[in-house]
Amino acid sequence: SQQGEEDPQALSIQEGENATMNCSYKTSINNLQWYRQNSGRGLVHLILIRSNEREKHSGRLRVTLDTSKKSSSLLITASRAADTASYFCATTQGAQKLVFGQGTRLTINP
Amino acid sequence: GAGVSQTPSNKVTEKGKYVELRCDPISGHTALYWYRQSLGQGPEFLIYFQGTGAADDSGLPNDRFFAVRPEGSVSTLKIQRTERGDSAVYLCASSLTGLGDTQYFGPGTRLTVL
Repeated sequence: SQQGEEDPQALSIQEGENATMNCSYKTSINNLQWYRQNSGRGLVHLILIRSNEREKHSGRLRVTLDTSKKSSSLLITASRAADTASYFCATTQGAQKLVFGQGTRLTINP
Repeated sequence: GAGVSQTPSNKVTEKGKYVELRCDPISGHTALYWYRQSLGQGPEFLIYFQGTGAADDSGLPNDRFFAVRPEGSVSTLKIQRTERGDSAVYLCASSLTGLGDTQYFGPGTRLTVL
């Protein structure tokens, strides 16, 4: 079973705009990771945020984590056509396995 | 260096047949994971190896599924008596320590059971 819920399920924006995706989860976590997937194949790791961190940046990516609300957000600034992909959040709890949400399909229109 | 590789990239088989899917992790990574992804869904955990041993196989759906990692590097996922419901993309990932660090994924094997 999957723990996370991404919101929205699909998002379509114009190139240059910012894209925000949200993730909610159900149980306490050790860390939360965001992945990107193109064309339904390999996942590319974007960023890992630990449970004691509140915000993290990597290039055009900004991730926040609110453990009291059991939620995280991924912000992509100044979007590009190449950002078109599915984005997944994944959590680790006591065990080492990743528990994924269903993903957000992001489309960047030129 | 090379990332995680998986072979074959695509596998088409008939219902009832046996298949093997292979994963080559990043060199030096002690932890290896298998996930399965159905269309429109996020990946679901199958099994996790720490070295040669299966540390967590709670995600294997039934006893038709089995995985090995005999030398602590390459892993093979084996599916017996395949069913149409086994059709999915099978993803392998590895991480350096398996202690909550980043998992790096391979490109996956798309399995189609006719």
